[in-house]
Amino acid sequence: AQSVTQPDIHITVSEGASLELRCNYSYGATPYLFWYVQSPGQGLQLLLKYFSGDTLVQGIKGFEAEFKRSQSSFNLRKPSVHWSDAAEYFCAVTAPLTGGGNKLTFGTGTQLKVEL
Amino acid sequence: SAVISQKPSRDICQRGTSLTIQCQVDSQVTMMFWYRQQPGQSLTLIATANQGSEATYESGFVIDKFPISRPNLTFSTLTVSNMSPEDSSIYLCSVVLVWAGGTEAFFGQGTRLTVV
Repeated sequence: AQSVTQPDIHITVSEGASLELRCNYSYGATPYLFWYVQSPGQGLQLLLKYFSGDTLVQGIKGFEAEFKRSQSSFNLRKPSVHWSDAAEYFCAVTAPLTGGGNKLTFGTGTQLKVEL
Repeated sequence: SAVISQKPSRDICQRGTSLTIQCQVDSQVTMMFWYRQQPGQSLTLIATANQGSEATYESGFVIDKFPISRPNLTFSTLTVSNMSPEDSSIYLCSVVLVWAGGTEAFFGQGTRLTVV
């Protein structure tokens, strides 16, 4: 079964600073990987996804993530954080389609605080 | 893509009562998923709902407590039965679209349930 670890529960950065949120997964092969953002009182919004191919994926809102197979990681990055990026970020994994369910397994989330 | 309408968006309920949450999708989908997000926690899958068959529940969740209906390919309901304050959570409906080489999950806005 797949699992996801987000080691950082809370992160605080200054506006304009760079950001990296860590995500490690456990799965026997290459899974499908996702980053979601959840703002207070809002639903989940997909930031980006990785299926295969180029290991550096670009997402919305200036976010990118890099898949590193050797480290079983899929860290999320942003070169310059904006105050509006303050939210909860979830890494998620699912197994590639095998004819079974495509349920997502979520990490515990990282709460991002942005200092002005 | 898929657009999911979930209602109610929030409710305050008395302990011992039941609440039924509705999830409507704008396209036909094979599987629908129900998640629970307890305060300050990540998303936990409750069950997978397939049209025409019994829902499949994850460990720790039982049908008597969370009965699910799936009458057609665009609609599902989740009932939270005999509620207690521990059931206070956000409940989210999700669908997954799958294509060759990829998949993406879409989420409703969630139902914020408070049990008093």
